[in-house]
Amino acid sequence: ELKVEQNPLFLSMQEGKNYTIYCNYSTTSDRLYWYRQDPGKSLESLFVLLSNGAVKQEGRLMASLDTKARLSTLHITAAVHDLSATYFCAVDPSKMPTNSGYALNFGKGTSLLVTP
Amino acid sequence: GAGVSQSPRYKVAKRGQDVALRCDPISGHVSLFWYQQALGQGPEFLTYFQNEAQLDKSGLPSDRFFAERPEGSVSTLKIQRTQQEDSAVYLCASSVTPTGELFFGEGSRLTVL
Repeated sequence: ELKVEQNPLFLSMQEGKNYTIYCNYSTTSDRLYWYRQDPGKSLESLFVLLSNGAVKQEGRLMASLDTKARLSTLHITAAVHDLSATYFCAVDPSKMPTNSGYALNFGKGTSLLVTP
Repeated sequence: GAGVSQSPRYKVAKRGQDVALRCDPISGHVSLFWYQQALGQGPEFLTYFQNEAQLDKSGLPSDRFFAERPEGSVSTLKIQRTQQEDSAVYLCASSVTPTGELFFGEGSRLTVL
């Protein structure tokens, strides 16, 4: 069974600070996703990482993937209040397209609160 | 519509009642997924459709859960004889292809009393 572990689960940080959220997973996968969820809202896709060494950046967020270490990181640079949300990583356990499409395995999420 | 639409957004049911949750995927999206998200947890896979065919229902927690997509567009998730442990947000997601980017709806929050 594929396990996806995020840490920390809760993070309170001051505006302007940097921090990293970690996502470890237990089996081989070449596809990892990061989502953002605001309270009572849907999941918003942030990044899709499709190969070892992939790095993507959008604004103050940067995601990377190390498939050999089975680790992805989401780095926050100079945090602002608008980044307060829950962040999920999700792993696709299939190594190739199957008739099951892909049933993503999600971590428990990291609740981020950015304070003044 | 522009996005995945789910209804009702909120549903309160008495234990033992049957409920039906509806998902309108993005037009033209072949793949449709249902996920269950308990409070404070990540979404967990329930079932997957490719067009009208239900290709994977391995995540459905019991035979009280049933999903259909008869014409390959709108899908309904039905829960019979609801129990308190069924209380969760039920998320629907669709994608153009089985391995394409997933677009999620805002979910249906079910509370079973």
